[in-house]
Amino acid sequence: EIVMTQSPVTLSVSPGERATLSCRASQTISSDLAWYQQRPGQAPRLLIYGASTRATGIPASFSGSGSGTEFTLAISSLQSEDFAIYFCQQYHNWPLTFGGGTKVDIK
Amino acid sequence: DVQLVESGGGLVQPGGSLRLSCAASGFTFSRYWMQWVRQVPGKGLVWVSRIRTDGSTTMYADSVKGRLTISRDNAKNTLYLQMNSLTAEDTAIYYCARETVVQGNYYMDVWGTGTTVIVSS
Repeated sequence: EIVMTQSPVTLSVSPGERATLSCRASQTISSDLAWYQQRPGQAPRLLIYGASTRATGIPASFSGSGSGTEFTLAISSLQSEDFAIYFCQQYHNWPLTFGGGTKVDIK
Repeated sequence: DVQLVESGGGLVQPGGSLRLSCAASGFTFSRYWMQWVRQVPGKGLVWVSRIRTDGSTTMYADSVKGRLTISRDNAKNTLYLQMNSLTAEDTAIYYCARETVVQGNYYMDVWGTGTTVIVSS
C-alpha cells in the first residue's frame, strides 16, 4: 500500500496570503495524484487531478505541481472560503490512499 | 444538478448489520464506476470499496473484505453497501462518490453528503 504523507498538519495563513501544502508518496506514483478540499461539515470536493489539472469550476488561485513522489498544492491568495482541510490522494495503485490532511486556518 | 444522497446510517450494536444506500441523480448512473469512502470524524479519508458500471467487478479494502459488500441497481440509480459483522472500527461517516476517468486519471468528482454509522453497545 502506498503511504501518503502531508505536511504541515496545520498551516496558519492570513487572508490574502499564499499557502503552500506538501504531499509525499512512499513510492513513485507518476502524476496519479488528486487534491480535495473539505470544509467543516461538508463532503470532500475535488480540486486537482493528474497532479496539476484543475477540476471543473475550480478557480485559478489553486494550482498543483509535482510528479514522482513529491507534490505541492498552492493557493495564491487565501479567501475566507479557502480555510479548510486539504487531502491528497494517489490513484497509481490500489488500494487508493489518502494523506492525513493539512488544515489551513486563519492566522 | 448532479447529486448523490446517502441514507441508512445509524446506531448498531457490535456484530450487527446495516445497509447503506446512495441515490444518484442528474447523471447517467449506469455509465460510472462508484466508490465508498469513509471518514472517522476529525480524521482522514479511507477508501472502502469500488464497483464497476454493471456491477460485475468489485474491490475492497483489506479491512472490510468479507464483511462489507458493495452492489448497485442501475434501474433504480442506487448504490448500496451491505455491512455485516460490524465492529467499533467501522464507526465513521460513509460517503459514496462517483469515479471519473479522463486520460488515465481516476478521480472522485462527485461526493454525497455522507451518512453516519456508529457501532456501539
